[in-house]
Amino acid sequence: NAGVTQTPKFQVLKTGQSMTLQCAQDMNHNSMYWYRQDPGMGLRLIYYSASEGTTDKGEVPNGYNVSRLNKREFSLRLESAAPSQTSVYFCASSEVGTAYQPQHFGDGTRLSIL
Amino acid sequence: AQKITQTQPGMFVQEKEAVTLDCTYDTSDPSYGLFWYKQPSSGEMIFLIYQGSYDQQNATEGRYSLNFQKARKSANLVISASQLGDSAMYFCAMRGRRDDKIIFGKGTRLHILP
Repeated sequence: NAGVTQTPKFQVLKTGQSMTLQCAQDMNHNSMYWYRQDPGMGLRLIYYSASEGTTDKGEVPNGYNVSRLNKREFSLRLESAAPSQTSVYFCASSEVGTAYQPQHFGDGTRLSIL
Repeated sequence: AQKITQTQPGMFVQEKEAVTLDCTYDTSDPSYGLFWYKQPSSGEMIFLIYQGSYDQQNATEGRYSLNFQKARKSANLVISASQLGDSAMYFCAMRGRRDDKIIFGKGTRLHILP
């Protein structure tokens, strides 16, 4: 009964370091998403993937890359971390093809860039 | 482009009173879904309720109801008989039918006073 699993839960990086945030879902969902949450800004969509092999930019894609490795996994990579990328990152998944299915969220990754 | 607006950054409500959280949206998609999520201080995202754009009746889920006014493009969340455990951040979100992009408003922080 895992749902959406994100790793790690916490991470501290130095400016310029790279890192990959991992996300996996076991609900056989087609769509997966990455959001960042900053105080006063709500959740902003970074990238999303409607199916294996496809990815699309969201509202704030700059500084990030994603990989939809297979149907279960969707990773987010920071190639050269910057302090402005300090945030809480959420991965989510959902069924595709209908507007009425809610998303299932992971517990989030708290990322600090020093 | 899709847009979600939540104009109330914070609200204070007396316990047992009803509370309405505002949400307005903009989309050119003729078919869409509207969602509300709760985020308690522990950080997880909890799905509360959804409304489809073609639903004739307002959605209800226990103490939660959605006041959907399509012509005004509003989808307000109503919580009846508020409880201390309702203190949390609340997000309105929208999903279009054309693509799988799901966007969120900036949220409203609700404080229930004893």
